[in-house]
Amino acid sequence: KAGVTQTPRYLIKTRGQQVTLSCSPISGHRSVSWYQQTPGQGLQFLFEYFSETQRNKGNFPGRFSGRQFSNSRSEMNVSTLELGDSALYLCASSTGGQRSYNEQFFGPGTRLTVL
Amino acid sequence: QKEVEQNSGPLSVPEGAIASLNCTYSDRGSQSFFWYRQYSGKSPELIMFIYSNGDKEDGRFTAQLNKASQYVSLLIRDSQPSDSATYLCAAVFGNEKLTFGTGTRLTIIP
Repeated sequence: KAGVTQTPRYLIKTRGQQVTLSCSPISGHRSVSWYQQTPGQGLQFLFEYFSETQRNKGNFPGRFSGRQFSNSRSEMNVSTLELGDSALYLCASSTGGQRSYNEQFFGPGTRLTVL
Repeated sequence: QKEVEQNSGPLSVPEGAIASLNCTYSDRGSQSFFWYRQYSGKSPELIMFIYSNGDKEDGRFTAQLNKASQYVSLLIRDSQPSDSATYLCAAVFGNEKLTFGTGTRLTIIP
């Protein structure tokens, strides 16, 4: 079974631009969660999508948004990029059922650098 | 106050010894706890989860949960150089969000 895939793997943008990251979950998984990882703040939850609906949301500004398609693939968008948005963005997939965090798998991440 | 706290380390342990990693959490209502391992430049991978008070063993790994004291720990027996990584503690709180600690960097010294 193929793992979680994320594209692109690396991205360089300038302040003020916007960016879209993509995540394809493991086949059969309906939940996709997004995380931001930085050296200072660690791994922080952005949002979770399940069956095309945002089921949970972290404490990030509205510049961070996401969506999920009918095939469970998910995208996240960051508008008006700031230097502080430079981070590793990870997505993780699971079946989305009760206690599904015990079988949540992470993708390789997208390394975003904002100049 | 951070919801999940870990000692950032680095923690150095001789090969073959027991590595002990600790984590405290703030929400008494938390029911689910997880340990992830993250190698440098890689994404986190789940190595243990625990829901009930007490110990849970899986090979060389033992997770320990004490809900009254609000701490969870991970013991790695017979530590190997391949265990050198950052270990992330995580908990699911009432809002169903998976909240991570900042991680403890573990180095196994040959």
